[in-house]
Amino acid sequence: DSGVTQTPKHLITATGQRVTLRCSPRSGDLSVYWYQQSLDQGLQFLIQYYNGEERAKGNILERFSAQQFPDLHSELNLSSLELGDSALYFCASSVTSENTEAFFGQGTRLTVV
Amino acid sequence: DQQVKQNSPSLSVQEGRISILNCDYTNSMFDYFLWYKKYPAEGPTFLISISSIKDKNEDGRFTVFLNKSAKHLSLHIVPSQPGDSAVYFCAASPNSGYALNFGKGTSLLVTP
Repeated sequence: DSGVTQTPKHLITATGQRVTLRCSPRSGDLSVYWYQQSLDQGLQFLIQYYNGEERAKGNILERFSAQQFPDLHSELNLSSLELGDSALYFCASSVTSENTEAFFGQGTRLTVV
Repeated sequence: DQQVKQNSPSLSVQEGRISILNCDYTNSMFDYFLWYKKYPAEGPTFLISISSIKDKNEDGRFTVFLNKSAKHLSLHIVPSQPGDSAVYFCAASPNSGYALNFGKGTSLLVTP
C-alpha cells in the first residue's frame, strides 16, 4: 500500500459526459501529480500541483482540468469525454516539488462508451 | 515525442538467471533516472534510481547502470525470481523539478 488513495477504481461513462477523479496523497506529501496511461502507452504526465498551486503542466488537454485543495487532496476533471479518453489515470504524490521517487495510487480505470 | 524509450516490450528469463532491461533517452537535460515496477491492477512502485553523477547504483539484487555518452541505462536483476515478473518502467527527469518522463515499459516474465 503506497498510501496514495484514488477513487473511484473504475468508471464507465458515455461520450460527452464529465467525470471527476479524486486523489488523496500520502500523509505529509505536498505534491500531487496526475498521469494518463492509454493502451500500449507509457505514463503520460498531465499536471502537477504543489501545496495547492499548479507547478507544472504536461500533455493535458484543454477539456481536462485539475485542482489541489487546502487539505492537499486533488481532483482531476475530465469533460466532453471522447472514446480516446479511455485510459488508466494515476495519481502520485511526493514530499517535495521534485517528482523523484513519487508514490503512485492504484489508478482509476476510465472507460468511455 | 517519446523522450524515454524502452524498445523491448517484453522479456522472458529463467529463474536464477540475469534479467537485463534497457532504456534509452534523447533529452540531454535529463540527469535523474528511475525504474518503477508495476504489477497488474496496482500502481507503479519505485524500485531504484541513479543520478547522472554516478554510473552505477546497486540495491540488493537490482543494479542500474548509466552510460551518459550513449544516453542509455539498464536495469540488471540477479538472480531473477518469479516474483519479479511485472512491467518495468524507466523514467527520467531534469534536475529542475519537472515531472518524470516515462518509457512505455518492458514486461518481464521470469519462468521457473
